[in-house]
Amino acid sequence: AQTVTQSQPEMSVQEAETVTLSCTYDTSESDYYLFWYKQPPSRQMILVIRQEAYKQQNATENRFSVNFQKAAKSFSLKISDSQLGDAAMYFCAYRRPRGSTLGRLYFGRGTQLTVWP
Amino acid sequence: KAGVTQTPRYLIKTRGQQVTLSCSPISGHRSVSWYQQTPGQGLQFLFEYFSETQRNKGNFPGRFSGRQFSNSRSEMNVSTLELGDSALYLCASSLGTAYSEQYFGPGTRLTVT
Repeated sequence: AQTVTQSQPEMSVQEAETVTLSCTYDTSESDYYLFWYKQPPSRQMILVIRQEAYKQQNATENRFSVNFQKAAKSFSLKISDSQLGDAAMYFCAYRRPRGSTLGRLYFGRGTQLTVWP
Repeated sequence: KAGVTQTPRYLIKTRGQQVTLSCSPISGHRSVSWYQQTPGQGLQFLFEYFSETQRNKGNFPGRFSGRQFSNSRSEMNVSTLELGDSALYLCASSLGTAYSEQYFGPGTRLTVT
């Protein structure tokens, strides 16, 4: 089974500052997807950013970017210019692109991000 | 496009009862996945349905079952409820293809007393 590890249960950042959330994963496959999801207090899971393993270029979405290190099986999320609305639980997730399990996301345990004004 | 909807949003049941939760995917989506979220176990995959067929199943007892209808709406059923079944149940919909993203509903909060 795939495992996704988020070693930081909690992180905090000052508004307008930058924070990096860590994620490592274990897989023997070469092709897969990685995601960061955000879950605010409303509990609605929101996709923040995705990365295809075959792409060497790191994905970027506005203030959110990733550092994807395939050999190290590391996938960190950087949030720049942090805003109060970024406060949430962040989940790292892995998914296979094919086979009977392609619809299944493997989640880490999450990192609770607090943003201080 | 309307998002993923789940009903009911909140539910309180008694041990031993059964419950049915519903998920309506985004129009055009053929895949619905279900997840259980608890503080102790985190997010755990229950099952995925694609075009009315269960395509994948997680490690949950047979008390947990699901189905998908021809309009892609999905239901999950939990029979003989236990206290440990108290959780947030999330469903996610997607096109069901290799490169399609999953979109989550707001969840159903189930409390078993």
